[in-house]
Amino acid sequence: NAGVTQTPKFRVLKTGQSMTLLCAQDMNHEYMYWYRQDPGMGLRLIHYSVGEGTTAKGEVPDGYNVSRLKKQNFLLGLESAAPSQTSVYFCASSWAGGREQYFGPGTRLTVT
Amino acid sequence: GENVEQHPSTLSVQEGDSAVIKCTYSDSASNYFPWYKQELGKRPQLIIDIRSNVGEKKDQRIAVTLNKTAKHFSLHITETQPEDSAVYFCAASIPGTYKYIFGTGTRLKVLA
Repeated sequence: NAGVTQTPKFRVLKTGQSMTLLCAQDMNHEYMYWYRQDPGMGLRLIHYSVGEGTTAKGEVPDGYNVSRLKKQNFLLGLESAAPSQTSVYFCASSWAGGREQYFGPGTRLTVT
Repeated sequence: GENVEQHPSTLSVQEGDSAVIKCTYSDSASNYFPWYKQELGKRPQLIIDIRSNVGEKKDQRIAVTLNKTAKHFSLHITETQPEDSAVYFCAASIPGTYKYIFGTGTRLKVLA
């Protein structure tokens, strides 16, 4: 099993450009999460999903959108990138709430 | 809102010594407390977790203690080794949701 995978690993965007980050998991997990990690600020939840077709906002949702059309995939979109969105983005999944979350390898995004 | 405070932000110990990292949470209804280890450039990985019906849990050189009255929990690493050097994150579940709040992380350096 590949576990949780993320595409791409690295990306550089110019301000105002858009992009989509893809997260895929092969563990049949119901719950999926998108976090951003910034120095000194830990992991902050952007959006999450508790099942196919559902999404919900986390702590820092502004400037991001998500979709969960298939159970195994969770997409994070940036419609108009800003330098403040420069960060490392981690996707995670779990089979239930209050259980271990399995993280992907991360995507390092730089917005210039 | 829910909050998790983690201390210290950095910790240096000599190889073979013990290390203790402490977290305090704000919502007394939180019932699941995982600890994640993140090596440089890698994804966070669960190393130990504890539920609110247990006061202490051990796994070889790692232990976690929970004090529900004081709303704090701690990670204890004994006989530290260079490979324990990493950033450690605590988290607390948010009652009624499928989410965690993460602490801001502790960078542990084990000096040989």
